[in-house]
Amino acid sequence: DAGVIQSPRHEVTEMGQEVTLRCKPISGHNSLFWYRQTMMRGLELLIYFNNNVPIDDSGMPEDRFSAKMPNASFSTLKIQPSEPRDSAVYFCASSLGAGQYSYEQYFGPGTRLTVT
Amino acid sequence: AQSVAQPEDQVNVAEGNPLTVKCTYSVSGNPYLFWYVQYPNRGLQFLLKYITGDNLVKGSYGFEAEFNKSQTSFHLKKPSALVSDSALYFCAVSPGYSSASKIIFGSGTRLSIRP
Repeated sequence: DAGVIQSPRHEVTEMGQEVTLRCKPISGHNSLFWYRQTMMRGLELLIYFNNNVPIDDSGMPEDRFSAKMPNASFSTLKIQPSEPRDSAVYFCASSLGAGQYSYEQYFGPGTRLTVT
Repeated sequence: AQSVAQPEDQVNVAEGNPLTVKCTYSVSGNPYLFWYVQYPNRGLQFLLKYITGDNLVKGSYGFEAEFNKSQTSFHLKKPSALVSDSALYFCAVSPGYSSASKIIFGSGTRLSIRP
């Protein structure tokens, strides 16, 4: 299995631009998570999908952030417009099972976003 | 409110010595507890979890953790440290299956093993 795949691995953009991060979960997993990691705030859960449906988006920082999961094998996290404070490493993770958090999560390699 | 604490930012251990990385939690009900490891420029990797049953849980790379309900702790341990164990370790807790469940990660502990 290829594991969780994220693209791009690195993204450098200017303030005000739209940024789209992509994730392909492990085949057969039905839960998908988006996280953000920074030195100041640590690891933060942004949004969680179960069977392609957003279950909890309370961690999404503001309306500039949006996430979609059009099918079981693809998800996007979009930031529009981007700001320097959005600079972070964004991780996608997937897990198996209907029980939300009893299953371990498998993380992708992350996308390092730099907004100048 | 649900929370998890890793009281040590950094733990330094000599190779071959036992290691402990501490984690305490606060949650209502029966917790689900996890340990993950993160190597530089990589995503988190699952090490082990406690859901129910035996309080001593064994995981990957020779790590184990003991669930202590009375002390609300879930410390990560290894009898003999390796230089390759040097990494960032995260404890995570969830209050169990519920439509309102939310997983929370600790702030992380950097483990440094000196040769």
